[in-house]
Amino acid sequence: EVQLVQSGAEVKKPGESLKISCKTSGYTFDDYWIGWVRQTPGKGLEWIGIIYPQDSDTVYSPSFQGHVTISADKSIATAYLQWSSLKASDTAIYYCARNLNSLERDACDIWGRGTLVTVSS
Amino acid sequence: EIVLTQSPGTLSLSPGERATLSCRASHSLKTNFLAWYQQKFGQPPRLLIYETSTRATGTPDRFSGSGSGTEFTLTISSLEPEDFAVFYCQQYEISPYTFGPGTQVDVK
Repeated sequence: EVQLVQSGAEVKKPGESLKISCKTSGYTFDDYWIGWVRQTPGKGLEWIGIIYPQDSDTVYSPSFQGHVTISADKSIATAYLQWSSLKASDTAIYYCARNLNSLERDACDIWGRGTLVTVSS
Repeated sequence: EIVLTQSPGTLSLSPGERATLSCRASHSLKTNFLAWYQQKFGQPPRLLIYETSTRATGTPDRFSGSGSGTEFTLTISSLEPEDFAVFYCQQYEISPYTFGPGTQVDVK
């Protein structure tokens, strides 16, 4: 069974750094693009970016480029989303999601359960 | 960036009724790279339809997708109690692969 297991909820202060994870199993990690989506009550679902673990090719939304970093560790089949300096506006649920096929441009068929990130002073 | 608009914002229907949800793109999609997701409270989105009209594994055949260019539709032929949720469309033709704001289908 294909599974994406995300790390637990985080509470951070503005300016702090954070790295959340998405551990995958049940498929060949290298072969599928895996991405991140943000969900907030006010802005709905926002596509952050995507990575191809085989060669670490990464595509970011311009709205998030420069503020987050997406990475992947093939040795442990895990994808990451990280911030070097959090803002209060980063408060949201973050989902990792795997693409349906081995294509960058694709729908996401497998989703993690989400990681709630709260940034507050 | 392609902006997706969904209508209506909320659809109030009874079980057994037909639901028609609309998704409009700010730019014409040359491909059929549009997906529909269902999200229930406290759960991640679930892929229902991809490539405009292909049902994902496990999607009941009462769900169907259609459309092209800038106009896309998700139809639920006869609502079951478990179908009441929020539905999002997503285009994955041009990065960033944007989502619509969602249509909430609730019980009348």
